[in-house]
Amino acid sequence: GAVVSQHPSRVICKSGTSVKIECRSLDFQATTMFWYRQFPKKSLMLMATSNEGSKATYEQGVEKDKFLINHASLTLSTLTVTSAHPEDSSFYICSASSAAEQYFGPGTRLTVT
Amino acid sequence: QKEVEQDPGPLSVPEGAIVSLNCTYSNSAFQYFMWYRQYSRKGPELLMYTYSSGNKEDGRFTAQVDKSSKYISLFIRDSQPSDSATYLCAAYQTGANNLFFGTGTRLTVIP
Repeated sequence: GAVVSQHPSRVICKSGTSVKIECRSLDFQATTMFWYRQFPKKSLMLMATSNEGSKATYEQGVEKDKFLINHASLTLSTLTVTSAHPEDSSFYICSASSAAEQYFGPGTRLTVT
Repeated sequence: QKEVEQDPGPLSVPEGAIVSLNCTYSNSAFQYFMWYRQYSRKGPELLMYTYSSGNKEDGRFTAQVDKSSKYISLFIRDSQPSDSATYLCAAYQTGANNLFFGTGTRLTVIP
């Protein structure tokens, strides 16, 4: 199957700082990428959908000024958590869409202290 | 009502057992159905993908969709300890892009 990478896999940051997470589709071009958040023992929660070259579409309740998404190319999308707080600590997963299938990245564990 | 419902388990079975994982969905427009496997602290991995009703088999795994009853199933034959993971069902319709996930079922296969 197609490969999606995420970087970093784990990050610890101090409250008030910003963190950038990269998502790359390594062997295919993804016109659409998705960002999910997953709380312990919970399902994936879609945060936003991003299409290459256009603004991301955020799900209800997700602050677009806090979670900045940039989809600069067909193989790269970034999520920046701005002014992070401890409640932003979570597992963030991206996925890239190829035809009818979605391929997920390995996830990024964010811990805000 | 959630778009996709899934019993969260947990489910424990002995090695070699047949495992049946199930989901129901409410949106009759869903056409594509997926099963993902997620190991602890990892991203979900696509296991099976079916379109519309019917069965699809891949090794020890069989995915089944019954659109008349809006029921999705994943069967695992000869289960192995390495199958221990959380299994998520998902569904979507053409043009919607977004997947709707079940909550996931945590499976443990005991050696």
